[in-house]
Amino acid sequence: GDSVTQMEGPVTLSEEAFLTINCTYTATGYPSLFWYVQYPGEGLQLLLKATKADDKGSNKGFEATYRKETTSFHLEKGSVQVSDSAVYFCALSDTGDFGNEKLTFGTGTRLTIIP
Amino acid sequence: ETGVTQTPRHLVMGMTNKKSLKCEQHLGHNAMYWYKQSAKKPLELMFVYSLEERVENNSVPSRFSPECPNSSHLFLHLHTLQPEDSALYLCASSQNYRSRGKTQYFGPGTRLLVL
Repeated sequence: GDSVTQMEGPVTLSEEAFLTINCTYTATGYPSLFWYVQYPGEGLQLLLKATKADDKGSNKGFEATYRKETTSFHLEKGSVQVSDSAVYFCALSDTGDFGNEKLTFGTGTRLTIIP
Repeated sequence: ETGVTQTPRHLVMGMTNKKSLKCEQHLGHNAMYWYKQSAKKPLELMFVYSLEERVENNSVPSRFSPECPNSSHLFLHLHTLQPEDSALYLCASSQNYRSRGKTQYFGPGTRLLVL
């Protein structure tokens, strides 16, 4: 079945540091890839996504490129801020037997940014 | 109200109680989802409703009973739960369940504690 593996947390960085959160996946079909973010006390919200190979998703200074050859979708940001402290989830969606699409999530990576 | 709302935000119940979680989406979507978020585990998809019909039921125990009376409302009825059912229950919605790469929009969740 489909699965997503993302780097274990927690990750603690100083403000303005470079961020990478690794994500790799296994899928039987041709999935779409997502990064969701969960701020304290809130639900998940979409950060960025990519639906085909070599696409780059970007939002709020975050970027991730769909790498089919390495089955990866690593999240990067050049200069993190305290407000980026949250839990980040990598996810894939694949089309099931009846054309239904559902999300498979990684375990999440907690990111803390220190001023 | 906009987006996806969930009530109550927090719930404490005994193992013999019956309670219901409510989700409402104000986005005009036609698919709704229940997820369970437990510590150290990936989000688990529990149920999916598309056009008010249940299309996924991922081996969830019968003590969880979903109901979708219309495309804007989703309920999760709970009875005789176990302590291991304590978790954050997230509701989500999307447009076009059978479309590739569609974003799911999440509510803030109900934090459930079973004593």
